[in-house]
Amino acid sequence: NAGVTQTPKFQVLKTGQSMTLQCAQDMNHEYMSWYRQDPGMGLRLIHYSVGAGITDQGEVPNGYNVSRSTTEDFPLRLLSAAPSQTSVYFCASSWEGDYGYTFGSGTRLTVV
Amino acid sequence: GENVEQHPSTLSVQEGDSAVIKCTYSDSASNYFPWYKQELGKGPQLIIDIRSNVGEKKDQRIAVTLNKTAKHFSLHITETQPEDSAVYFCAASRPGTASKLTFGTGTRLQVTL
Repeated sequence: NAGVTQTPKFQVLKTGQSMTLQCAQDMNHEYMSWYRQDPGMGLRLIHYSVGAGITDQGEVPNGYNVSRSTTEDFPLRLLSAAPSQTSVYFCASSWEGDYGYTFGSGTRLTVV
Repeated sequence: GENVEQHPSTLSVQEGDSAVIKCTYSDSASNYFPWYKQELGKGPQLIIDIRSNVGEKKDQRIAVTLNKTAKHFSLHITETQPEDSAVYFCAASRPGTASKLTFGTGTRLQVTL
């Protein structure tokens, strides 16, 4: 099935733990992004990539790290989880920049 | 940076009525305005988009209008159906910003029977 696949779907972390949210797409899209969704705040851009080996910061990058070694994968790393990072995380990909983004189904993360 | 405001935050309409959701943006250089629908437990799905060289775009029961002078754009859903119930997000981006979509805060649409 073509699309954006995110794993895991749910995760509970303790404060200070680290983890990686996985994102993979099989549409050969160059552009990939990570967003977080919080109640009443819409979706906010964390990091994005315009191709393998190229990443940049979005609106809320602090506490997160990304890398893009292949076109297909764009993992998001939480370095030291904090309760403020409790959120729903979405990965998205697009053939060309800001055209028609396809979103994954999300990862619901709770930091206790 | 860009700021997108979206209204209303909640909207309840009866089946068959029309629904209108409005967004305003701050960056006059923005030229791409997509609308996403998010159903419970799912990721946002692109339903329609418009570029600044077009004033209106339609796709069956859905239409988007853009007023560049006033810096606002709207989503119109006609003949609403229960399956239209969802959260709708508007977004905006400017040329040359790659993946930097700025989203509104969302509108929860409830279509009642």
